[in-house]
Amino acid sequence: RKEVEQDPGPFNVPEGATVAFNCTYSNSASQSFFWYRQDCRKEPKLLMSVYSSGNEDGRFTAQLNRASQYISLLIRDSKLSDSATYLCVVNMGMDSSYKLIFGSGTRLLVRP
Amino acid sequence: GAGVSQSPRYKVAKRGQDVALRCDPISGHVSLFWYQQALGQGPEFLTYFQNEAQLDKSGLPSDRFFAERPEGSVSTLKIQRTQQEDSAVYLCASSPMLGRSGEAFFGQGTRLTVV
Repeated sequence: RKEVEQDPGPFNVPEGATVAFNCTYSNSASQSFFWYRQDCRKEPKLLMSVYSSGNEDGRFTAQLNRASQYISLLIRDSKLSDSATYLCVVNMGMDSSYKLIFGSGTRLLVRP
Repeated sequence: GAGVSQSPRYKVAKRGQDVALRCDPISGHVSLFWYQQALGQGPEFLTYFQNEAQLDKSGLPSDRFFAERPEGSVSTLKIQRTQQEDSAVYLCASSPMLGRSGEAFFGQGTRLTVV
């Protein structure tokens, strides 16, 4: 079983749609969580951190369920420019170590 | 430059050749990571440095892979006797933070093709 698992998609949605991605992780001791975005043939870039209480950044909402070891990302009012691969990332380092483990990514296609 | 810089951007190696990939992190960043990304997959963790100390090398796939960061800034990933399965994009990232939080900034990667 992979340490961080995501549905690869693709999710093909019309502009304006709401779409949700899910991610599960294996290490219950993990302390920090992120969503990264990766455009085709580009490097990953941080989209948002995920906090225990849930957090929102404009059209994007991230939530964490520690009991189920589950992270989600909700995108409202999808734009064409949201088309990308969304990577779920979990820090599985111990103590002061830093071991960012990436999921395989979920591909989103937003159509006109 | 202001970002993470990797060189070369593209490398074609004959099977059995040794290669060295360079990463210049953002100045002052303590943490440095190397990842391997195959087509259609997420980045796979290779190794992590905190300053010059290699704290985790559990992701290096074989003893043909070696990474160093001798002065706590520039890092080199070396692959000896390259094999076709080593073909991938090698990504370097750096972060100013220690430990559990903080954004990792990625370079554009080195695309290695072994023929």
